[in-house]
Amino acid sequence: EVQLLESGGGLVQPGGSLRLSCAASGFTFSSFAMTWVRQAPGKGLEWVSTVSISSDRTYYANSVKGRFTISRDNSKNTLYLQMNSLRAEDTAIYYCASGLSNGWYFFPHWGQGTLVTVSS
Amino acid sequence: DIQMTQSPSSVSASVGDRVTITCRASQGINNWLAWYQQKPGKAPKLLIYATSTLQSGVPSRFSGSASGTDFTLTISSLQPEDFATYSCQQANSFPLTFGGGTKVEIK
Repeated sequence: EVQLLESGGGLVQPGGSLRLSCAASGFTFSSFAMTWVRQAPGKGLEWVSTVSISSDRTYYANSVKGRFTISRDNSKNTLYLQMNSLRAEDTAIYYCASGLSNGWYFFPHWGQGTLVTVSS
Repeated sequence: DIQMTQSPSSVSASVGDRVTITCRASQGINNWLAWYQQKPGKAPKLLIYATSTLQSGVPSRFSGSASGTDFTLTISSLQPEDFATYSCQQANSFPLTFGGGTKVEIK
């Protein structure tokens, strides 16, 4: 069974940093691109970032480009999101998600999410 | 960036009703479209991908179709467990984008 378990969320002041982790199990982590999606309270889903299988390609939403860094450690089956210069509008539940086996960027597997709150 | 405009934002329906939700892409996306269902406090669930392919385990009352840049999710006979929020997502190009969501409520 595929499991994705996010951690690292919490309360942080504006301008601060957090590092989210997503521990994967139940599938060959190193064979799948991985993605972060967020959802602000009461709002819709927003794609944040995707990293390729070998980390040679990374993609970011304009809203986080230059502030967030996605990375992965295939030896630890773990996905990361380093978030710097956090703003109030970054407050959201952050989900990690894995794609389909054919490499398409649709997401059949999601974690339970971790809440990030940016507030003074 | 490709914008996904979803409508309606909410719909009230009864058990057994046929429900249709639409997403319009701001440009062609080559049928690279998915639909997700999300219930309060839960992660999204993939229902349909590549416009019309049903994800494993999803009931056949859910179906997807397209006409040009207009994409449709149809629930043929609404069941009690279908009351939720539905969102579309394009996977044609980065940045990936989601529609704003449609809340299906009990009438």
